[in-house]
Amino acid sequence: DQQVKQNSPSLSVQEGRISILNCDYTNSMFDYFLWYKKYPAEGPTFLISISSIKDKNEDGRFTVFLNKSAKHLSLHIVPSQPGDSAVYFCAASARRSQGNLIFGKGTKLSVKP
Amino acid sequence: EAGVAQSPRYKIIEKRQSVAFWCNPISGHATLYWYQQILGQGPKLLIQFQNNGVVDDSQLPKDRFSAERLKGVDSTLKIQPAKLEDSAVYLCASSFPHEKLFFGSGTQLSVL
Repeated sequence: DQQVKQNSPSLSVQEGRISILNCDYTNSMFDYFLWYKKYPAEGPTFLISISSIKDKNEDGRFTVFLNKSAKHLSLHIVPSQPGDSAVYFCAASARRSQGNLIFGKGTKLSVKP
Repeated sequence: EAGVAQSPRYKIIEKRQSVAFWCNPISGHATLYWYQQILGQGPKLLIQFQNNGVVDDSQLPKDRFSAERLKGVDSTLKIQPAKLEDSAVYLCASSFPHEKLFFGSGTQLSVL
């Protein structure tokens, strides 16, 4: 049973527009959420995170929104750039327990010039 | 700051053979993880170490997989004997306890 779901395998966006990547989770014990970005033949790299005590966290062009009641989070990239083309993984953990991350299957973002 | 180092980058073996992967975490990171990423899936935790000790190995197929972390630094992951379904990228990651993970580039394993 998937605890972290990314229901869109792929997303295509025009350069300069907003990219919105979505993630749903089922485990109410999760209290820390992260987004990782992965280029081919490389390991995932940390992008941005949010604690369950917040509903928004912003870092430059990247903003993560958390809706705890809906068990939903989203990553907004504004404006999107061709270099943002990668696979984006949503991950969650229950920091009060072991702290290891549970990953979604990823969304492949393509930003077209 | 040096990142998480993994070797080899690629490995091709036949089924029933054995294989080992090596990981050197970021200096000072007490927590080390091995993840398995099958094509089209997200990374799945195999084992988590805190210093020398195992914190979570509930998803490690212990009949064929083993891992150790001697002296609380480097770690090795071994598969013996390998099966076709073990073909995947094996990612090592490290972190401070309960903080974000830093991943290595991974070892791509193909079992023929």
